[in-house]
Amino acid sequence: QKEVEQNSGPLSVPEGAIASLNCTYSDRVSQSFFWYRQYSGKSPELIMSIYSNGDKEDGRFTAQLNKASQYVSLLIRDSQPSDSATYLCAVNGGSGNTGKLIFGQGTTLQVKP
Amino acid sequence: DGGITQSPKYLFRKEGQNVTLSCEQNLNHDAMYWYRQDPGQGLRLIYYSQIVNDFQKGDIAEGYSVSREKKESFPLTVTSAQKNPTAFYLCASKQARGADSPLHFGNGTRLTVT
Repeated sequence: QKEVEQNSGPLSVPEGAIASLNCTYSDRVSQSFFWYRQYSGKSPELIMSIYSNGDKEDGRFTAQLNKASQYVSLLIRDSQPSDSATYLCAVNGGSGNTGKLIFGQGTTLQVKP
Repeated sequence: DGGITQSPKYLFRKEGQNVTLSCEQNLNHDAMYWYRQDPGQGLRLIYYSQIVNDFQKGDIAEGYSVSREKKESFPLTVTSAQKNPTAFYLCASKQARGADSPLHFGNGTRLTVT
């Protein structure tokens, strides 16, 4: 079983719609969760971090965390063509305080005008 | 401007040659990391260092070596023992050694070995 799983997509949504990206993780003791956006050929850039159960909103982005279900998601409201990218879910290494992040394989989002 | 500088952006080498990828940060971060990304895949951890003069193997350390002689620098050497070295290499750093702070990435080095 992969430690962090994402549907590779592509996920295609029309401009203005809500894009929902999902991620599950296997290590129950994980404490920190991050969403990165990666444009083709570029390095990942941090979008959101979330540490406690519930929702965290930042502009058009909302991260949702459910530790009991080992599930973290990212909602993008009013999707724009510029949101088209690969979104990487990252989870801290879990047991121990190593600071390692484990990444999912990423979900490719396509926002169509 | 603070940031992480990786050089070069593109690197071409012949099979059998060792090559060193540079990573320098001026963010005063304690911890530094090297990841590898292959097409259509996520990031896989090669090596990481939480303090100067100390580093640990990640999930795919075979065929790679690192050093951490200075806080600002964490070079990665891809040796001839690495069987599939062609990939996108990403260096990252974070403020604290613990789990909560996010990683900040350099712009990456794309290595092609023929």
